[in-house]
Amino acid sequence: QSALTQPASVSGSPGQSVTISCTGTSGDVGTYNFVSWYQQHPGKVPKLVLFDVSNRPSGVFNRFSGSKSGNTASLTISGLQGEDEADYFCSSYTRGGTLVFGGGTKLTVL
Amino acid sequence: QLHLQESGPGLVKPSETLSLTCTFSGDSISSHTYSWSWIRQPPGRGLEWIGNVSDTGSPFYNPSLKSRITMSLDTAKNQFSLNLSSVTAADTAVYYCVRQNSAWFDPWGQGTLVAVSS
Repeated sequence: QSALTQPASVSGSPGQSVTISCTGTSGDVGTYNFVSWYQQHPGKVPKLVLFDVSNRPSGVFNRFSGSKSGNTASLTISGLQGEDEADYFCSSYTRGGTLVFGGGTKLTVL
Repeated sequence: QLHLQESGPGLVKPSETLSLTCTFSGDSISSHTYSWSWIRQPPGRGLEWIGNVSDTGSPFYNPSLKSRITMSLDTAKNQFSLNLSSVTAADTAVYYCVRQNSAWFDPWGQGTLVAVSS
């Protein structure tokens, strides 16, 4: 199974919106609405921020939203804040029944 | 409050077997239809799903690691475990135990760094 493709880095200024893409194939992202997103601050444990493409767990701000089109899922963070600076990883269920992650995207808040 | 805690050696010699245990607290490990996963992260790199074991103890492994993995569930101790055989330096990583709900992971253990070195 190949890793999902994410941009290595994105950046934005406080208050702006940024979008992180996650591209897979018809064998994972394109077929299943089982895409999740994780936020990881340096030296910390990954934290679930979205599941099933666009659902937010309890306690996650509504500044985090998700969508999917074809083989690409996206995480959008609106109203950027300094605390949003972190690495973000996407994950998808696959046709083989396994789970696969993206390579991760480093978000820098300018 | 749900909590997962990994335990095991922090150093393993090449060609030997890495063994980790995860203890779950705050609920019964078999009370719901969750799976129990292991995920690893080499230093400075991304996440890799290693595999999971269901609430009934059935394992499902990442095909890239399948030949070297054994996972099991111990409901009496509220624990699940990972054995990874024939390790090399490429297996050096932070290993996380995680509850898998459908296709997402939450909560996560704090992670344990396992280094493979002689």
